Amino acid sequence: GAGVSQSPSNKVTEKGKDVELRCDPISGHTALYWYRQSLGQGLEFLIYFQGNSAPDKSGLPSDRFSAERTGGSVSTLTIQRTQQEDSAVYLCASSLEGVAADTQYFGPGTRLTVL
Amino acid sequence: SQKIEQNSEALNIQEGKTATLTCNYTNYSPAYLQWYRQDPGRGPVFLLLIRENEKEKRKERLKVTFDTTLKQSLFHITASQPADSATYLCALDGGTSYDKVIFGPGTSLSVIP
Repeated sequence: GAGVSQSPSNKVTEKGKDVELRCDPISGHTALYWYRQSLGQGLEFLIYFQGNSAPDKSGLPSDRFSAERTGGSVSTLTIQRTQQEDSAVYLCASSLEGVAADTQYFGPGTRLTVL
Repeated sequence: SQKIEQNSEALNIQEGKTATLTCNYTNYSPAYLQWYRQDPGRGPVFLLLIRENEKEKRKERLKVTFDTTLKQSLFHITASQPADSATYLCALDGGTSYDKVIFGPGTSLSVIP
């Protein structure tokens, strides 16, 4: 594909509901990353996939957060029982191999608002 | 734990001047340091990477320095233009496939015509 795409671009939900955020990486990229960015804050690492495996889940804030990747391509980040503190922009990035110094290509993000 | 600091205040400079952004880090020895640009409502875009054994890297109007003794990187934009207005993020890369890239909070730059 031309670039990393994410959907939806905006999501407003009520506290306690579950949400699913989708990421389509650049075709052929084996590594995929999820980050969270709160207003005025840096990017907070959430999870990293190499193919369909997630060798590093250390950034997931709680067990309400989970992610999967299928077919070495599309990834879904799921937040269960959303809380107001989950409100942020969720960014997805992909890179060719996920090795050191690999350039990460970011999607436009999904802005999540939990009311 | 690792900590990255960038200019805490937004930077406003006059068009044509050189903008200098600072990235300081502690408790880390990165093999690489990267700079990204982020525009409002968009994801970061990679600009430059500098290795720990490189002192300086240039790309068009951009120049990055990396001082591993001071644990600091400086990012310069020469002959700045209003189109350079954005948030600039530095990121540390440990250099192995096990290291995740750690991003700083970013510095907002405004170039005034």
